[in-house]
Amino acid sequence: NAGVTQTPKFQVLKTGQSMTLQCAQDMNHEYMSWYRQDPGMGLRLIHYSVGAGITDQGEVPNGYNVSRSTTEDFPLRLLSAAPSQTSVYFCASRLSRVTEAFFGQGTRLTVV
Amino acid sequence: TQLLEQSPQFLSIQEGENLTVYCNSSSVFSSLQWYRQEPGEGPVLLVTVVTGGEVKKLKRLTFQFGDARKDSSLHITAAQPGDTGLYLCAGILTGGGNKLTFGTGTQLKVEL
Repeated sequence: NAGVTQTPKFQVLKTGQSMTLQCAQDMNHEYMSWYRQDPGMGLRLIHYSVGAGITDQGEVPNGYNVSRSTTEDFPLRLLSAAPSQTSVYFCASRLSRVTEAFFGQGTRLTVV
Repeated sequence: TQLLEQSPQFLSIQEGENLTVYCNSSSVFSSLQWYRQEPGEGPVLLVTVVTGGEVKKLKRLTFQFGDARKDSSLHITAAQPGDTGLYLCAGILTGGGNKLTFGTGTQLKVEL
């Protein structure tokens, strides 16, 4: 049982480049979320989804897009990378609204 | 300002000491969770509390949900080096929201 799988683990981008962070889960969870983690700020919610075809914004959505075409996959797109998007990104899934969140191992992104 | 503020931000103690970490908000939560995160990994759930005033114990860890469901605390008795890590509270607001919001985090280091 793989759980939540994120790729890549590390990425360096130049300012202005675009890229997609991949997230897949094999637990048939309806709820999926993307967070970024910066020192001293815990985890901040970027976007989330409560099922295929349904997405909504979190606390820090600017500069990021998401889509949810299947239950399993929830990719995060950076449209035009900026140094302020240098961070560690975590994808999480949970079965329902108040159940445990399972996390991927994270993607460390550096924008130069 | 983030919805969930944790204190202290950093804590460095000796093995055997007791400590308390606080998670505070001005908003009411339907449930509160505590996670622990180790370097290079995603957070892992420790406990979920759902009732105001609820106390849960997990070996040497005691978790309490405030009566008004606006705050929570984590108390560790006789800390051990294996308790070292980043502790994060997370909650879902009352009123039907689906966002799982995380606190600012407390970095704990327990030394021999």
